[in-house]
Amino acid sequence: GAVVSQHPSRVICKSGTSVKIECRSLDFQATTMFWYRQFPKQSLMLMATSNEGSKATYEQGVEKDKFLINHASLTLSTLTVTSAHPEDSSFYICSAAGLSYEQYFGPGTRLTVT
Amino acid sequence: AQSVSQHNHHVILSEAASLELGCNYSYGGTVNLFWYVQYPGQHLQLLLKYFSGDPLVKGIKGFEAEFIKSKFSFNLRKPSVQWSDTAEYFCAVNGVLTGTASKLTFGTGTRLQVTL
Repeated sequence: GAVVSQHPSRVICKSGTSVKIECRSLDFQATTMFWYRQFPKQSLMLMATSNEGSKATYEQGVEKDKFLINHASLTLSTLTVTSAHPEDSSFYICSAAGLSYEQYFGPGTRLTVT
Repeated sequence: AQSVSQHNHHVILSEAASLELGCNYSYGGTVNLFWYVQYPGQHLQLLLKYFSGDPLVKGIKGFEAEFIKSKFSFNLRKPSVQWSDTAEYFCAVNGVLTGTASKLTFGTGTRLQVTL
């Protein structure tokens, strides 16, 4: 089946620094990738949708200058949390969709901002 | 805008009991429907999905779900739960678009706790 990886799985950073999270589709070409955020014991909230080679589409309330998304190739999307603050601490999950339009989820990245 | 409601937030069942988790959605068009499971400390896994055809879909681990279009529902069922089914269950929906994947909207999740 389709496999999506995320790196790193866990990251701790200091307030004010930036963190980059990678999402890769390992065995298929992902024309669309999605980034979600999940708070403890809550559901997944979509942050943005990115299509390869285009600018990401952000959901209402998500700051595009804070959460930079790049989808430069059909197998890689990155999410950069800029000037991170403690309230950005969360579980970030990506998903990737290819020709079947079904989304395959990565294992998630737990970000802790101190 | 699409939305998904899961009415059961926390369900506690004894092993071998039957399970039904409710899911209702709101969307003005054709939809794809999904149930995902998240075991403690693990990532989301697809349990089953409905794209078209037979409204009764069977998934992994003995789960099934029935799409009732008139009720905008996609309830998840399992005849006999096991302790290992303890997890968080999410219902999700996306609209059918031509030529591209569309975003998923998730319900708030139902925490299932199965006791021995």
